[in-house]
Amino acid sequence: SYVLTQPPSVSVAPGQTARITCGGDQIGSKSVHWYQQKPGQAPVMVVYYNDDRPAGIPERFSGSNSVNTATLTISRVEAGDEADYYCQLWDNTSDHWVFGGGTKLAVL
Amino acid sequence: QVQLLQSGSELKKPGASVKISCKASGFMLNAYSLNWVRQAPGQGLEWMGWINTYNGKPTYGQGFAGRFVFSLDTSVSTAYVEINSLRAEDSAVYYCARERNYYFGMELWGQGTAVTVSS
Repeated sequence: SYVLTQPPSVSVAPGQTARITCGGDQIGSKSVHWYQQKPGQAPVMVVYYNDDRPAGIPERFSGSNSVNTATLTISRVEAGDEADYYCQLWDNTSDHWVFGGGTKLAVL
Repeated sequence: QVQLLQSGSELKKPGASVKISCKASGFMLNAYSLNWVRQAPGQGLEWMGWINTYNGKPTYGQGFAGRFVFSLDTSVSTAYVEINSLRAEDSAVYYCARERNYYFGMELWGQGTAVTVSS
């Protein structure tokens, strides 16, 4: 089955740029989505189709996807961005959704 | 208001069954696929499977065929997951999430239902 690999944690100072990666075989040929989950809350989509933002998501959140790595970039990080972030894609070999293991973003 | 409203927390004994509901509000449920996602305590998101809200056909993810049953009641715009023969390791938060298609991901989630299995 398809595997998505994320770093367990990323740390960044307020105002800096956070980059969270999601590795997978030929992931650049797939549509990757990203979710933010704060403690005790349901996930919220922050990027879909690699680099599009749902309505209401700040422009500080952006995505990219190339070859074997997709990346969620959060610019001008704020304390409120501290959360777990998950990447996700549809594996059309198994016809299953796949989630990455999640990355905890710490704002120092 | 467009939302998915899930039923409340459950405390069950091992071997019992539980049925969690997910009611669509503000939109037509049959215009979307409906996914179920599990999150064990301190763990990541795990896709359980989905139900085709047009024809009611369920598809189960790896490890969720057998004790897990997805169903629909279109008359009340509600999807269900029933978990039979509960085990301690079924203790988790269960989410429903709607999806238009795989290009767009799961753009609306329910608030989650916590299930605790304990004797």
